[in-house]
Amino acid sequence: IAGITQAPTSQILAAGRRMTLRCTQDMRHNAMYWYRQDLGLGLRLIHYSNTAGTTGKGEVPDGYSVSRANTDDFPLTLASAVPSQTSVYFCASSDSGGSDEQFFGPGTRLTVL
Amino acid sequence: GQNIDQPTEMTATEGAIVQINCTYQTSGFNGLFWYQQHAGEAPTFLSYNVLDGLEEKGRFSSFLSRSKGYSYLLLKELQMKDSASYLCAVRDSNYQLIWGAGTKLIIKP
Repeated sequence: IAGITQAPTSQILAAGRRMTLRCTQDMRHNAMYWYRQDLGLGLRLIHYSNTAGTTGKGEVPDGYSVSRANTDDFPLTLASAVPSQTSVYFCASSDSGGSDEQFFGPGTRLTVL
Repeated sequence: GQNIDQPTEMTATEGAIVQINCTYQTSGFNGLFWYQQHAGEAPTFLSYNVLDGLEEKGRFSSFLSRSKGYSYLLLKELQMKDSASYLCAVRDSNYQLIWGAGTKLIIKP
């Protein structure tokens, strides 16, 4: 693994189903983030984690949950998917110090029907 | 509320110079970022400004005026591969990034 990976690449999901999007980084970054990106809107933060064992809510957390059991993994779960959750989901990570820029995974394109 | 404004779309000619503006109103300021995002890909980091002034990095430069809530990204010697969306983001008082909707830059030969 080099950098940050996400799985699956894309998924079509029936409304009401449960879905977990996976995110793994090998850069030993402290902080990790989940964003959704919708046409015409900026990236919107769903949940974040500043360090393993802690999580926080972002701008649009409803309908989503996260966990951070270790440094590398930060899965995002949709408990009961709805069509408004159709979006492209990006996971990102950053380390403390300096500019602290965020590094992004390749994204998951999710369609909820 | 928090707000980041940037033009939706710009067009420029290969070899020319283009300036993409970003204005912001946020609760606190802890730095401004510019990212590049090619269609269907993830955003990638371009520049970071926390103090007023110009930061130059090759063909790309970024300027910040904190008193005016204003930044711009300057791209010189445009190449076709610079066709992408350019995202402005501000780190607020909670150290979270607030993102603009992005500026789609179209480069014509």
